[in-house]
Amino acid sequence: DADVTQTPRNRITKTGKRIMLECSQTKGHDRMYWYRQDPGLGLRLIYYSFDVKDINKGEISDGYSVSRQAQAKFSLSLESAIPNQTALYFCATSAGSSYNEQFFGPGTRLTVL
Amino acid sequence: AQSVTQLDSHVSVSEGTPVLLRCNYSSSYSPSLFWYVQHPNKGLQLLLKYTSAATLVKGINGFEAEFKKSETSFHLTKPSAHMSDAAEYFCVVSGSWGKLQFGAGTQVVVTP
Repeated sequence: DADVTQTPRNRITKTGKRIMLECSQTKGHDRMYWYRQDPGLGLRLIYYSFDVKDINKGEISDGYSVSRQAQAKFSLSLESAIPNQTALYFCATSAGSSYNEQFFGPGTRLTVL
Repeated sequence: AQSVTQLDSHVSVSEGTPVLLRCNYSSSYSPSLFWYVQHPNKGLQLLLKYTSAATLVKGINGFEAEFKKSETSFHLTKPSAHMSDAAEYFCVVSGSWGKLQFGAGTQVVVTP
């Protein structure tokens, strides 16, 4: 019973296509995050949201947008995918009371051809 | 600002021997530090965390880490490696509002 779920788990798409990655959580956490992982670079923050009305850019937000549809849902969109957005994408959540500890979803592997 | 440097990109150990993964951090204030593990095709799992309490932190699966402020280090150790420890390990430092800064990762290979 996963607390943080991501869909799809794998996606192959073509350059120029619009892609949406979805994240849902049942942990009741107010904070949600999107990261991308590239080999040798660790995880880098794309966007984060402290609540439904508070969305912030991370260190690598160019080419991405997000939507916080509800406390439990946080979607990441690539408006026009390009090959260098090929990566493993992770959603994470944390509670405001213990914001340091983040809980990660299983990841979405995205390939842009 | 904070940053993390993992000193080894790959570590190879024999089953039953000790594991040492090295991490140095930089932070402008007292940091919170974490080690996460990522098994192949899996998400990240928290191994342990340091949040200004005891400097020797015990985590899951027999791992522990020691916070050394004078050396700005937070090395991860395990006395005896198991085959299931083969994974990628990330050292992470937390900023003021919970922003996590990840190290580049250390790939651990365990040989029989």
